[in-house]
Amino acid sequence: DAGVIQSPRHEVTEMGQEVTLRCKPISGHDYLFWYRQTMMRGLELLIYFNNNVPIDDSGMPEDRFSAKMPNASFSTLKIQPSEPRDSAVYFCASTQDQGGLYGYTFGSGTRLTVV
Amino acid sequence: QKEVEQNSGPLSVPEGAIASLNCTYSDRGSQSFFWYRQYSGKSPELIMSIYSNGDKEDGRFTAQLNKASQYVSLLIRDSQPSDSATYLCAVLTSGGSYIPTFGRGTSLIVHP
Repeated sequence: DAGVIQSPRHEVTEMGQEVTLRCKPISGHDYLFWYRQTMMRGLELLIYFNNNVPIDDSGMPEDRFSAKMPNASFSTLKIQPSEPRDSAVYFCASTQDQGGLYGYTFGSGTRLTVV
Repeated sequence: QKEVEQNSGPLSVPEGAIASLNCTYSDRGSQSFFWYRQYSGKSPELIMSIYSNGDKEDGRFTAQLNKASQYVSLLIRDSQPSDSATYLCAVLTSGGSYIPTFGRGTSLIVHP
């Protein structure tokens, strides 16, 4: 398996623009997670899905953020409009079980810079 | 607020020494504990998990859990420069969503 695949690897955008991050989880993993990592706040859970259904989005910072999972092999995280404070590394992760007893497999991440 | 605390470091050790990384957590009902390694510019990867009090060994890595004192540690024996990374502690807390809470990580530097 190719692992969790994220795109793009890097994204530089201007404030106010829409940004879409993409993720393909490992086949057979029923849980998909979106995390954001910054030096100040560490790794923060934004939202997670189980069988394509959003279960907990309490970590989504505000209405500018939205996430979808239209099928088992694809998810998007959208920021509209983007702001400089959204600059961070965004990770997608998947796992077979909710608690991650088998460990979360993380994608390579998308480094987002909003100028 | 369920918290997982780690010293941010950096922890600097000479090659061949034992590196000791510590993590404390606030939720006494926590059940499962994980250590992830994250190289600079890379994503976290799971290296150890532990669920019961005591030690669990895997190669040069040993995870230690003390639920009474609410801490979990990771020992790396015969440290190598290639072990230089940030180590994230993750704790599966009780109740709620069964999603691990991550600490902010400890930076380890192993110098030749």
